[in-house]
This record gives sequence, C-alpha cells and structure tokens, in this order.
Amino acid sequence: DAKTTQPNSMESNEEEPVHLPCNHSTISGTDYIHWYRQLPSQGPEYVIHGLTSNVNNRMASLAIAEDRKSSTLILHRATLRDAAVYYCILSVWGSGDKLTFGTGTRLAVRP
Amino acid sequence: GAGVSQSPSNKVTEKGKDVELRCDPISGHTALYWYRQSLGQGLEFLIYFQGNSAPDKSGLPSDRFSAERTGGSVSTLTIQRTQQEDSAVYLCASSWTGLSNQPQHFGDGTRLSIL
Repeated sequence: DAKTTQPNSMESNEEEPVHLPCNHSTISGTDYIHWYRQLPSQGPEYVIHGLTSNVNNRMASLAIAEDRKSSTLILHRATLRDAAVYYCILSVWGSGDKLTFGTGTRLAVRP
Repeated sequence: GAGVSQSPSNKVTEKGKDVELRCDPISGHTALYWYRQSLGQGLEFLIYFQGNSAPDKSGLPSDRFSAERTGGSVSTLTIQRTQQEDSAVYLCASSWTGLSNQPQHFGDGTRLSIL
C-alpha cells in the first residue's frame, strides 16, 4: 500500500495560515493525493485532492511538490472550527478508491 | 442536498447478538464503502460496492461480517454473534463512480457498543 507520513500534531493561532505537511515518497504516477479531516464525533469530511498541479477550493489549497513526493495542505486563515484530525491519503488507481487512513495530524487552533 | 445517512446513530447490544447497520448513500452515487474506526484508531476499510459488480470484501475481518446493497442504493452491514472487539464506529461513505479521483462523502457513523 502506498504510505503517507504526517506529523502527529500541530498548533496554530486563530486567523493565521496553517501549513500541514505530508510525505509520500512511494507515490505512483497515477495516485491521487486526497485530504480529509475529521471533527470530533463526526465522519471524515473531504477537503481537497490533486494529482500533479496545485489546487484551490473554498476550504483550502493543496501544494504538490514537483516530484510529487510531498504535499502541503494550506488553510489560509485558521478558525476554531478547523480544529480536527487531518488525513493525507493516496488514492491508488485501480483499488476501487478505497482509502487507507493513517493516524493523521491533530490540529489545535488557539483563540 | 441530503448527505449520507446512517442508522442507528448509536447501538448497544449484548455479546453474541446479531446487529444490522444501515446506510443511505447520496442519491446517484454508484460507489458505496464501509469503514470502521476503533477507539483512538484510524479508519479501517471493510467492504466496497460499485454498481452491479461483485463487492470487494477484502477488508472484512471475519465471516461474521457481511454486507449487501439492494437496488444499488441502501446498504446493510450485518455482524453476527457480536464480540466485544467489534465495538467501534462504523462509517459509510459514497462517491459518484468509485474512481480514485472522486471524493468520498461520509456519514456520521453508527457507534456500536458490545457489552
């Protein structure tokens, strides 16, 4: 299985940008990079995904390294509601899109 | 629009009983997934349905676990002769096509407690 490595935890101040890193050195050319987050007592929530180019949506931005061996999820202005566990996942082509979740990064946001 | 709906939200049962967990995916989504999350653990894939294809059951932990998806929509996960180690949050997700470039949409899960 394609693996990702994330820091166990990070902290941020409210209204400041947050950069959440992810290493995926064994990524294959057809693997998509997905980010999900999970708030307490809720199911995971899709955040963003990409293949090669950087991506932006209303929730976040995804910066993908040129060699695709790492990526960074960027929350432009952290809010208290962004406190969650963030998962970086490789979706392997042909695997039926089943997701393999690691332990993720627990983001704490200080008011 | 309506998201993925799971029922019940909580289920407490005695060891040895059978339980059924229900998932209503987003209308039109052809792919449906079951995962489970044990206390303090990451999500573990259980089973995947895609259209009329045979389901991918590779994640089911034992033959006590089974699932079906009727009419390409609602799915039921059944656990027979429940054990205490089955206690977990069972999560259902759906996506449009099951391709790796499609996001999955999750329900809030069923919290199963085995006494």
